[in-house]
Amino acid sequence: QKEVEQNSGPLSVPEGAIASLNCTYSDRGSQSFFWYRQYSGKSPELIMFIYSNGDKEDGRFTAQLNKASQYVSLLIRDSQPSDSATYLCAVNPSGSNYQLIWGAGTKLIIKP
Amino acid sequence: GAGVSQSPRYKVAKRGQDVALRCDPISGHVSLFWYQQALGQGPEFLTYFQNEAQLDKSGLPSDRFFAERPEGSVSTLKIQRTQQEDSAVYLCASSLGSNTEAFFGQGTRLTVV
Repeated sequence: QKEVEQNSGPLSVPEGAIASLNCTYSDRGSQSFFWYRQYSGKSPELIMFIYSNGDKEDGRFTAQLNKASQYVSLLIRDSQPSDSATYLCAVNPSGSNYQLIWGAGTKLIIKP
Repeated sequence: GAGVSQSPRYKVAKRGQDVALRCDPISGHVSLFWYQQALGQGPEFLTYFQNEAQLDKSGLPSDRFFAERPEGSVSTLKIQRTQQEDSAVYLCASSLGSNTEAFFGQGTRLTVV
């Protein structure tokens, strides 16, 4: 069974620090990787996607992908209280160009 | 519309009752997805439409679940003879294509009592 694993948290980070969120996946043939943010009671919203090994930066967010280790991470620099949310990792498995396998999410708390 | 619209936002059903959940995707979006999200979990894929064609229904948990999108726009997810384990948030998402960014609706929180 194809799985995506995340630490449920909560992960508590002081304001202004770097928050590091991690995700591992079981399907070695996975091609696309997504990070979504979900505020309590709201729907998921896409933050970033990454396809290639290495780092991808977008503002305060950096996604890192290591396909050999089957590991994807999200770094949030200069964390703000508004970043407090659950962060969901989603993976597009091999054999499908539309399905997403989701992790259970990591709850992030940014303390002022 | 400006975004994906789902109705109702909240639904309480007695066990055994049939329910219908509506999704109004972003205009022009070809792809439409339904997900089920239990409390504290990530979304789980239910079904996928490309226009009016239901290309994948492998995630529907039982034959009590049925989805349609007859004109390639609005979609309805129907659950017959609801059970307590059906209690969850049902999310609809739409996208321009199958592997482009998907936009989620606010979801319908179904509680079966």
